[in-house]
Amino acid sequence: DAKTTQPPSMDCAEGRAANLPCNHSTISGNEYVYWYRQIHSQGPQYIIHGLKNNETNEMASLIITEDRKSSTLILPHATLRDTAVYYCIVRPIQGAQKLVFGQGTRLTINP
Amino acid sequence: DTAVSQTPKYLVTQMGNDKSIKCEQNLGHDTMYWYKQDSKKFLKIMFSYNNKELIINETVPNRFSPKSPDKAHLNLHINSLELGDSAVYFCATSRAGGPSSYEQYFGPGTRLTVT
Repeated sequence: DAKTTQPPSMDCAEGRAANLPCNHSTISGNEYVYWYRQIHSQGPQYIIHGLKNNETNEMASLIITEDRKSSTLILPHATLRDTAVYYCIVRPIQGAQKLVFGQGTRLTINP
Repeated sequence: DTAVSQTPKYLVTQMGNDKSIKCEQNLGHDTMYWYKQDSKKFLKIMFSYNNKELIINETVPNRFSPKSPDKAHLNLHINSLELGDSAVYFCATSRAGGPSSYEQYFGPGTRLTVT
């Protein structure tokens, strides 16, 4: 399993874009990048995933570098409700469908 | 309509007791999971079932036994509860196979406290 590295914490002002980095330098060709978040006292919530192209949905954008060794999750207009722990997870297409959570990044949105 | 529900939300019990946590999903997904989040907030897979068949069983004590009566339900029964079992237990569901299997929908969690 590819290892991921994320900063333990980040702050962002409300209304600004929050850019959360993730390093996954050992990622292999058959592994996807997934992002989840966990708001305090709630279950984890799926945000977005990608293989090599940039992806966007109603929640966020995912930018994956050309060499796939790192990615950035972008919350375009952060709100106070986006305060959460964000997890970057790398998983293979084949194999056991378990999510492996690291320590994540604790993102605090400040008013 | 809640997609993934768990009961109870809170469970306080004494050491040595047997308890169950129930999970129900109305998403029509084939695969269901149990995760455990300990006091240090580490979230770890315990089990997964696909169409009522066990497919993942991590290193979990035999005191934990998942049961899937049908595709929409995956219950967790715990025998002889120990202090170390205190944690938040999350149920999750997903479609089976491929990248979609990692798009998992989590329940609200059951906070188990063993005294």
